[in-house]
Amino acid sequence: GAVVSQHPSRVICKSGTSVKIECRSLDFQATTMFWYRQFPKQSLMLMATSNEGSKATYEQGVEKDKFLINHASLTLSTLTVTSAHPEDSSFYICSALFRNTEAFFGQGTRLTVV
Amino acid sequence: SQKIEQNSEALNIQEGKTATLTCNYTNYSPAYLQWYRQDPGRGPVFLLLIRENEKEKRKERLKVTFDTTLKQSLFHITASQPADSATYLCALVGNFNKFYFGSGTKLNVKP
Repeated sequence: GAVVSQHPSRVICKSGTSVKIECRSLDFQATTMFWYRQFPKQSLMLMATSNEGSKATYEQGVEKDKFLINHASLTLSTLTVTSAHPEDSSFYICSALFRNTEAFFGQGTRLTVV
Repeated sequence: SQKIEQNSEALNIQEGKTATLTCNYTNYSPAYLQWYRQDPGRGPVFLLLIRENEKEKRKERLKVTFDTTLKQSLFHITASQPADSATYLCALVGNFNKFYFGSGTKLNVKP
């Protein structure tokens, strides 16, 4: 199956700093990628849809200035958590759409803001 | 907005038995529905996709049904094994291929 690589898998940062998370489709081109946030024992919450070459579409309640998304190529989307605070600590997961039907997920990034 | 419900209580079954997980949804008519497996601290892994015009789909020990009248999908694992223990998520695919997930059901298969 298609492979999606997410990096880093874990990151600890200080409050007020910014953190960038990368999502790469390794063996296919993905015009659409998605970013999710997951709290313990809860569902994946869709944050935004990342479209190559255009602005990301954010879900209601997600601050676009807080969570910057850049989909600069057909294989790479990045999520930058700006001015991170402890409440931003969470598990962030990306997925890439394969053949417009199947979503392949990255390994996830555990962000801890101290 | 769409609502997707999965049994939040863990399902505990004995090895060799069939596990059945339920996914109910409201306020929505998805073109297709998917099931994923998620292990702790990992991203979900795609298992099966079933379209609205399909009643049933099988893959090895897995079977999915899709009842658009009841707005329900059932996910079955036959001859379950301890290695099947994980959280299983159903996902509805909406406009612009947005995926919306249920909260998942944790399956524990005891040897």
